[in-house]
Amino acid sequence: KQEVTQIPAALSVPEGENLVLNCSFTDSAIYNLQWFRQDPGKGLTSLLLIQSSQREQTSGRLNASLDKSSGRSTLYIAASQPGDSATYLCAVEGFQGAQKLVFGQGTRLTINP
Amino acid sequence: KAGVTQTPRYLIKTRGQQVTLSCSPISGHRSVSWYQQTPGQGLQFLFEYFSETQRNKGNFPGRFSGRQFSNSRSEMNVSTLELGDSALYLCASSLEGGRGTEAFFGQGTRLTVV
Repeated sequence: KQEVTQIPAALSVPEGENLVLNCSFTDSAIYNLQWFRQDPGKGLTSLLLIQSSQREQTSGRLNASLDKSSGRSTLYIAASQPGDSATYLCAVEGFQGAQKLVFGQGTRLTINP
Repeated sequence: KAGVTQTPRYLIKTRGQQVTLSCSPISGHRSVSWYQQTPGQGLQFLFEYFSETQRNKGNFPGRFSGRQFSNSRSEMNVSTLELGDSALYLCASSLEGGRGTEAFFGQGTRLTVV
């Protein structure tokens, strides 16, 4: 059974810092890994999708890496801004022939002005 | 291009009642999956529909059911509501469902059972 863990559970940093969020998963047989952002009481916004054959993906100030063999992914946020404050979730999709994502518990990020 | 639309956004129901939630996927997407989010359990997979067929189901009791229509819109039904069913229900759509395609989520329906 796939299990996804995110560390840390919460993170508070001053504006402008570069930071790294971690995600680990127990079963390396995955199609892809997706990073999402969730604002309080809202839905999920897709940030980055990394296919299992890829090592990293970049979008603006965000960079996500994937090491499938070790079961790890990191989300790097450069030059953090108060607007980046949200909960960040990672999810993996396995080989079960259907859209079924297994999520971590998330990292609650607070960027202090 | 319109995103994933969930209705209603908020619901308050009484224990024992039933409820139906609706999800309209992104145009052209054929897969709709449903998730329950609670503070204690996080995001948990309920089921996924593709071309009107349920392809996968999570570990939830039979009170939770769903269906998908020919236009890919999906509904989720919960019968005999319990207090523990209070949660944010999210649906996601993707082009094919599985095989590495990206999932896009709606804003969710906040269900409160009193």
